[in-house]
Amino acid sequence: NAGVTQTPKFRILKIGQSMTLQCTQDMNHNYMYWYRQDPGMGLKLIYYSVGAGITDKGEVPNGYNVSRSTTEDFPLRLELAAPSQTSVYFCASSYYRSNNEKLFFGSGTQLSVL
Amino acid sequence: AQTVTQSQPEMSVQEAETVTLSCTYDTSESDYYLFWYKQPPSRQMILVIRQEAYKQQNATENRFSVNFQKAAKSFSLKISDSQLGDAAMYFCAYRSAETGTASKLTFGTGTRLQVTL
Repeated sequence: NAGVTQTPKFRILKIGQSMTLQCTQDMNHNYMYWYRQDPGMGLKLIYYSVGAGITDKGEVPNGYNVSRSTTEDFPLRLELAAPSQTSVYFCASSYYRSNNEKLFFGSGTQLSVL
Repeated sequence: AQTVTQSQPEMSVQEAETVTLSCTYDTSESDYYLFWYKQPPSRQMILVIRQEAYKQQNATENRFSVNFQKAAKSFSLKISDSQLGDAAMYFCAYRSAETGTASKLTFGTGTRLQVTL
């Protein structure tokens, strides 16, 4: 199984440009998440989804949009990129709550906004 | 809102020795989960160990164990017989056990562990 796949792995944007970070999982997980990791910091939750058609804001949603049209895909859209959005972005997924619930992370997208 | 604090930005340990990484958290909830994640230079987030707050017994996973002190809101990670492959950033994380909260984790700022020969 591929698990959680993120594309691209690296990207440089100019201020004001837009882009979509792609995330797909092949484990049929209900829950999906987007986190960002600023240099020297822990991860912070941007948005999450509990199923297709349902999304909700996390701790740092400003400047981002998400959609969840299928169980597999959870793209993150950056509109009008700003230097403050320079970060490493992680997508993750988990199956429905259970005692053995586990979070699966993608390998991250390193984004620089210059 | 919950907060997670890791007060040790960097730690160093000699190979085969034992090291303890500290983590404290703040919450008003009584039921929750605590985690330690390892992030090597590859950036991959790897779950090291998981503790359920309602369980008094400390979790262990091979060379990794925790000291969970619920009243003190402390959750330290002990790595025994340290190996070169243990060198990484280690993140402490909190998650509410409240129904419907999904796996929304709150992370600390991390501790960089160096392992020396």
